[in-house]
Amino acid sequence: DVKVTQSSRYLVKRTGEKVFLECVQDMDHENMFWYRQDPGLGLRLIYFSYDVKMKEKGDIPEGYSVSREKKERFSLILESASTNQTSMYLCASAGTYNEQFFGPGTRLTVL
Amino acid sequence: AQSVAQPEDQVNVAEGNPLTVKCTYSVSGNPYLFWYVQYPNRGLQFLLKYITGDNLVKGSYGFEAEFNKSQTSFHLKKPSALVSDSALYFCAVRPVNYGQNFVFGPGTRLSVLP
Repeated sequence: DVKVTQSSRYLVKRTGEKVFLECVQDMDHENMFWYRQDPGLGLRLIYFSYDVKMKEKGDIPEGYSVSREKKERFSLILESASTNQTSMYLCASAGTYNEQFFGPGTRLTVL
Repeated sequence: AQSVAQPEDQVNVAEGNPLTVKCTYSVSGNPYLFWYVQYPNRGLQFLLKYITGDNLVKGSYGFEAEFNKSQTSFHLKKPSALVSDSALYFCAVRPVNYGQNFVFGPGTRLSVLP
């Protein structure tokens, strides 16, 4: 059974804190993605990675960075969290030209 | 620009009736097409995909979708809706010549009324 796991389901942080969201997949997929989902805005791509140590900016990369040191792990970093980064964060992985598999999501609240 | 439209924010249907959730796209080339479903406070679950071949594809939970190249549409259908089908549905495309990225529609909320 394929799996994408995310480090936390719910997270509460304070403004200015550094936040790490981790995602791990067990399918040996080359491609991994980070999205945020907000009501009325659908899914917006933050960053994606098509190989270890490779990354590409998505539609809304500002305020975020990513790290992919190992094939199975893709981390999203909020260097200094702000209240407008309160959102649902979804990680996904995909093989070449296959569907994406999503993690359960992390609901982040920044106070 | 690559885009996916789901023209209805909300679809209401009575239990037992057929349902359709619409999706149209604007991408270059021949894309791969997908439908996902999201239940409250969960990630997205894959339902079905069209890569090539028969225009009618069947997926999980009795759902199917019809690819129409001339209308650039990929509508999701089910012959008989269940209350448990109530969820948020996303259409997505993966343009063949657009690297490894996906383009998602805004989502359609389906409510099946008992």
